[in-house]
Amino acid sequence: GQSLEQPSEVTAVEGAIVQINCTYQTSGFYGLSWYQQHDGGAPTFLSYNALDGLEETGRFSSFLSRSDSYGYLLLQELQMKDSASYFCASRDYGQNFVFGPGTRLSVLP
Amino acid sequence: NAGVTQTPKFRVLKTGQSMTLLCAQDMNHEYMYWYRQDPGMGLRLIHYSVGEGTTAKGEVPDGYNVSRLKKQNFLLGLESAAPSQTSVYFCASRTSTDTQYFGPGTRLTVL
Repeated sequence: GQSLEQPSEVTAVEGAIVQINCTYQTSGFYGLSWYQQHDGGAPTFLSYNALDGLEETGRFSSFLSRSDSYGYLLLQELQMKDSASYFCASRDYGQNFVFGPGTRLSVLP
Repeated sequence: NAGVTQTPKFRVLKTGQSMTLLCAQDMNHEYMYWYRQDPGMGLRLIHYSVGEGTTAKGEVPDGYNVSRLKKQNFLLGLESAAPSQTSVYFCASRTSTDTQYFGPGTRLTVL
């Protein structure tokens, strides 16, 4: 089976850095990806890790530790438009995806 | 380049009625997915396809069927709708490097 855990809510101020953690239990784990979803919208892809280490894409970075079954999404220079829900998702070797419950990020002025 | 499109955007059904949701992508992706998202929750995988003519079950397949007759289209069918199937349905297509592109979603209400 597969399951993922994330914090339900995170609050930070504009310009700050925030880290959203994700732990997973995935049989045949292949990789971990991150998605952003604004209220009423569709999820959009942010980042992906198949190997241990840090992947950087502009203000967003994602980290994976396969030995700890753990990853995180790092958002830097927070902006008001970053207020959204963030989901981690694990994939197994069978092309099957499982999404976490989501973390609601509120960015305060 | 339209990306991923879904038809219809909204639908109201009565219990026991059937319907088909259509997903189309113009990015030539092999992999396509159908998810449902209930309020305040994450996405749950219903069915997926790794190529034309193939389908596989995801986490919550009961009550749904799918077909992938053409590479660009992935159809989701509800044979006998139930109120528990009230949800937002998202289709996605995926690159070989795990980037999923989502459609705008279909909001389905079953009365």
